[in-house]
Amino acid sequence: SQKIEQNSEALNIQEGKTATLTCNYTNYSPAYLQWYRQDPGRGPVFLLLIRENEKEKRKERLKVTFDTTLKQSLFHITASQPADSATYLCALVLGGADFRTSGTYKYIFGTGTRLKVLA
Amino acid sequence: GAVVSQHPSWVICKSGTSVKIECRSLDFQATTMFWYRQFPKQSLMLMATSNEGSKATYEQGVEKDKFLINHASLTLSTLTVTSAHPEDSSFYICSAGTSGGAHEQFFGPGTRLTVL
Repeated sequence: SQKIEQNSEALNIQEGKTATLTCNYTNYSPAYLQWYRQDPGRGPVFLLLIRENEKEKRKERLKVTFDTTLKQSLFHITASQPADSATYLCALVLGGADFRTSGTYKYIFGTGTRLKVLA
Repeated sequence: GAVVSQHPSWVICKSGTSVKIECRSLDFQATTMFWYRQFPKQSLMLMATSNEGSKATYEQGVEKDKFLINHASLTLSTLTVTSAHPEDSSFYICSAGTSGGAHEQFFGPGTRLTVL
């Protein structure tokens, strides 16, 4: 069966530490993998995209790795701050060959991880 | 970045009534919009993909006669929940995609539907 899972429902870390979130998937062949941030009662906000042929991508305090052999992506927030507290979602971007789509791509979201950075 | 709006932000209705939710791309044209449903503490579940000027493509298990989608223009898509029931209560979010390299989706703020 096809599924996409994120490591834990909630993660608490101390301010200043590095938060590491995991996204695992099975039986998909994504063209890309994205990470989004979602605050309560709001729509997700795009953070980063990593392509299947990329191993690592960085943006400011964020770093994403992508291992297509392990079918896993890791999302790191360095020097975490209380303002980083939110739910983080990973999303697989699938080409039309994988699923029936009327557009070119389709997005499958993970279950999300609630991150809480403690002051 | 691009802005997507949704209206209303929340709605409470009686069982059996229909509710229309609008999704607008404010500063760009969106040929494709996506409609998602999100239950508390769960992830986004894609309901349908909406293409301007054509019929929406619904995901397996989503009733097309219950969730009517219209994408009449490049900046507006609507979702109508017909004959709503309490089990339809959820957070409905739309998004618009771009054709750029990041395949970034711009999400609306969501609509909280409560059916009594």
